[in-house]
Amino acid sequence: EAQVTQNPRYLITVTGKKLTVTCSQNMNHEYMSWYRQDPGLGLRQIYYSMNVEVTDKGDVPEGYKVSRKEKRNFPLILESPSPNQTSLYFCASRKGGPEWTVNTEAFFGQGTRLTVV
Amino acid sequence: RKEVEQDPGPFNVPEGATVAFNCTYSNSASQSFFWYRQDCRKEPKLLMSVYSSGNEDGRFTAQLNRASQYISLLIRDSKLSDSATYLCVVNYGGATNKLIFGTGTLLAVQP
Repeated sequence: EAQVTQNPRYLITVTGKKLTVTCSQNMNHEYMSWYRQDPGLGLRQIYYSMNVEVTDKGDVPEGYKVSRKEKRNFPLILESPSPNQTSLYFCASRKGGPEWTVNTEAFFGQGTRLTVV
Repeated sequence: RKEVEQDPGPFNVPEGATVAFNCTYSNSASQSFFWYRQDCRKEPKLLMSVYSSGNEDGRFTAQLNRASQYISLLIRDSKLSDSATYLCVVNYGGATNKLIFGTGTLLAVQP
């Protein structure tokens, strides 16, 4: 089954304690991205990656890091979480490169609800 | 001004009703358009792409007006299972192939 898998689904942590949210896709997609969703603000892109070892900032990258060492995995790292990073996070993937078209569908993971206290 | 704007709702409609959502976007160079559905803070899922000529998928009809930078979604014969948040999504294309999401319109279909 084609899917994007995020872990953990729920996490409560304390300010300053480093954490990693994992994301893995089994569709061989080149393009992966991370979003956060907050009430009234919609989904905002944190970071994206167009292929292995190619990553770039989205609209709200402050306080986050990512890496793309393998095509299937795109972890999101919070080195020193703060309460303003409490949010619902989604990883997404879609085709890129020569298979990409303007109507290419994005597939989302189930989301990670993060609370930083 | 937001890049993609939607009426947040909620739209409360009875079963069987027809309901329409609108969305406007600010970037005239936008290349593609979508409606995604999101259930109760679950992941968004593609409902349908929106084509220039308009397109229909069962009870759902999407329209695009590039001149007015306006997208619409029409749902006929609403079902309880249509209750969800509907996200208007615009793809700017270009080098980053970026998706811009509206904040969503909440639909509640009442029995």
